[in-house]
Amino acid sequence: KNEVEQSPQNLTAQEGEFITINCSYSVGISALHWLQQHPGGGIVSLFMLSSGKKKHGRLIATINIQEKHSSLHITASHPRDSAVYICAVLAYTGNQFYFGTGTSLTVIP
Amino acid sequence: DSGVTQTPKHLITATGQRVTLRCSPRSGDLSVYWYQQSLDQGLQFLIQYYNGEERAKGNILERFSAQQFPDLHSELNLSSLELGDSALYFCASSVAVQGADTEAFFGQGTRLTVV
Repeated sequence: KNEVEQSPQNLTAQEGEFITINCSYSVGISALHWLQQHPGGGIVSLFMLSSGKKKHGRLIATINIQEKHSSLHITASHPRDSAVYICAVLAYTGNQFYFGTGTSLTVIP
Repeated sequence: DSGVTQTPKHLITATGQRVTLRCSPRSGDLSVYWYQQSLDQGLQFLIQYYNGEERAKGNILERFSAQQFPDLHSELNLSSLELGDSALYFCASSVAVQGADTEAFFGQGTRLTVV
């Protein structure tokens, strides 16, 4: 049983398309993170949120605590957005992180 | 550059051996987190230290241990290594204990290969 489910697992888009990656979780959380992992392996934290919506440039993250669901949107996608996007939640109980299996995004020029 | 330094970047060792992975957090960060990323398990949280004390424990095997030193760097010790321990090991740091307003910064990882 996975505490965090992401969809889709793989996503291919044309440059310029609007992209949505979804994350659902089953535990009570104090925070949710969206991480980006590039082919070289390095991980970057994109967003950390506990309610509402955050925006950085072309990236938007939303969370609905009641529905235990978060979405990551990329507007005007670009080939450099190609990466694996991972949803991670910090559970209230045990102060422990649970991770989704990631969404592999490929943006084609 | 996140400011989090992990060494070594790559490590190849034989089964049964013991290795130590090192993490230097960003200047001023008191919390250090260790994660394991393997092909079949994805990312898994191992353990967290805050200002030298263990704060949270995840799926960390008994063969693994960690500590955070007074200068706040941390070491992850892996012993009696098995082939299945081959993975990327990430360290992250944050100013405080993770919560809604505390961002974590990740190191580049140590790729461990057990042969």
